[in-house]
Amino acid sequence: AQSVSQHNHHVILSEAASLELGCNYSYGGTVNLFWYVQYPGQHLQLLLKYFSGDPLVKGIKGFEAEFIKSKFSFNLRKPSVQWSDTAEYFCAVSGGGGGSNYKLTFGKGTLLTVNP
Amino acid sequence: DADVTQTPRNRITKTGKRIMLECSQTKGHDRMYWYRQDPGLGLRLIYYSFDVKDINKGEISDGYSVSRQAQAKFSLSLESAIPNQTALYFCATSDPRTGAAEQYFGPGTRLTVT
Repeated sequence: AQSVSQHNHHVILSEAASLELGCNYSYGGTVNLFWYVQYPGQHLQLLLKYFSGDPLVKGIKGFEAEFIKSKFSFNLRKPSVQWSDTAEYFCAVSGGGGGSNYKLTFGKGTLLTVNP
Repeated sequence: DADVTQTPRNRITKTGKRIMLECSQTKGHDRMYWYRQDPGLGLRLIYYSFDVKDINKGEISDGYSVSRQAQAKFSLSLESAIPNQTALYFCATSDPRTGAAEQYFGPGTRLTVT
């Protein structure tokens, strides 16, 4: 069974600080990896995704993530956070390689608070 | 994202009542999903549907049922609501032609069972 572990439950940063949120997954095959963001009172939005190819993927709003297959990790980074990045971030994994791999498994989320 | 809509957005109900949450989508996707979100637990899959005739249980389906009335509509029912079903419920869709399971979420329904 696939699973996702997010190491940090709550991260508090000041504006302009650098961000790295950890995500490790467990799955015995090809994977697709996602980061979703949920701003206060809003629904989940896709931040970035990895399907194949370059393991360093860039998403919206200056976020990026690196897929390290040997470490089963997909950490999210941003060099300089803003107050508007305050949100909850979810890492998710699905099996890759075909439409039958429907299941998207989410981590428990990391709440990011950015203080102005 | 108005492509996936949910009604109602907020609902307070009493223990034992039957309640239906509705989801509609204009994305033309065949696959639809229902999740619940609880603080500290992330999102957990309740039911999913690959098309109108294909409905499957997720990891936490007990106490819930679903109906796929059309490609665009997927309803979640709580036959007899209980307080631990108080949660934020999300509907999502995906397009199997993409291969991967990228999903698009509705705005959510906040359900409180008293």
